Amino acid sequence: GQQVMQIPQYQHVQEGEDFTTYCNSSTTLSNIQWYKQRPGGHPVFLIQLVKSGEVKKQKRLTFQFGEAKKNSSLHITATQTTDVGTYFCAGATSGTYKYIFGTGTRLKVLA
Amino acid sequence: DGGITQSPKYLFRKEGQNVTLSCEQNLNHDAMYWYRQDPGQGLRLIYYSQIVNDFQKGDIAEGYSVSREKKESFPLTVTSAQKNPTAFYLCASSIAHSNQPQHFGDGTRLSIL
Repeated sequence: GQQVMQIPQYQHVQEGEDFTTYCNSSTTLSNIQWYKQRPGGHPVFLIQLVKSGEVKKQKRLTFQFGEAKKNSSLHITATQTTDVGTYFCAGATSGTYKYIFGTGTRLKVLA
Repeated sequence: DGGITQSPKYLFRKEGQNVTLSCEQNLNHDAMYWYRQDPGQGLRLIYYSQIVNDFQKGDIAEGYSVSREKKESFPLTVTSAQKNPTAFYLCASSIAHSNQPQHFGDGTRLSIL
């Protein structure tokens, strides 16, 4: 079945350093979504990518969707303590509402 | 104020007992979802529903049951057949189209007594 893997599983960075998490799907995706879950909280939608090679930015966050629509990345520039949490990607194949969530990357920012 | 309400926040289950987790939304969303999250892991889909009176199994449906009698409500029953029910359960909803974000409730944490 379809699988979505994320690396790394954990990442500790000093405040001000950059951070990147990578998402890889075993199948071609129609779109990919990114969510952030704060400790003790629930996932909150960040962004969605649909087009091959798409790049979107939200302030210090940059999201990319691969040309083959099987991988994606989230890059945070100059991390802040408010960036702490687990970042999940979630991919869907064409014609379905069913999203497969990645394993998540837990980010810890050291002040 | 629109949103998704899950209750209870914490739930304890005795061996051999069925328990039902509530999920209610007032976002007028057609699609609703149930996920299970184990410590340090991602979300795994249990069941999802695209429309009232219809639902599909997700990847880990065994030991769980759902109903969708009303658009606003999608309760999840954890049956005694689910041998390892201790987890964090998240309900979500979305507009019933592909490419739509999911809105999550605050979750229910289920533990075994």
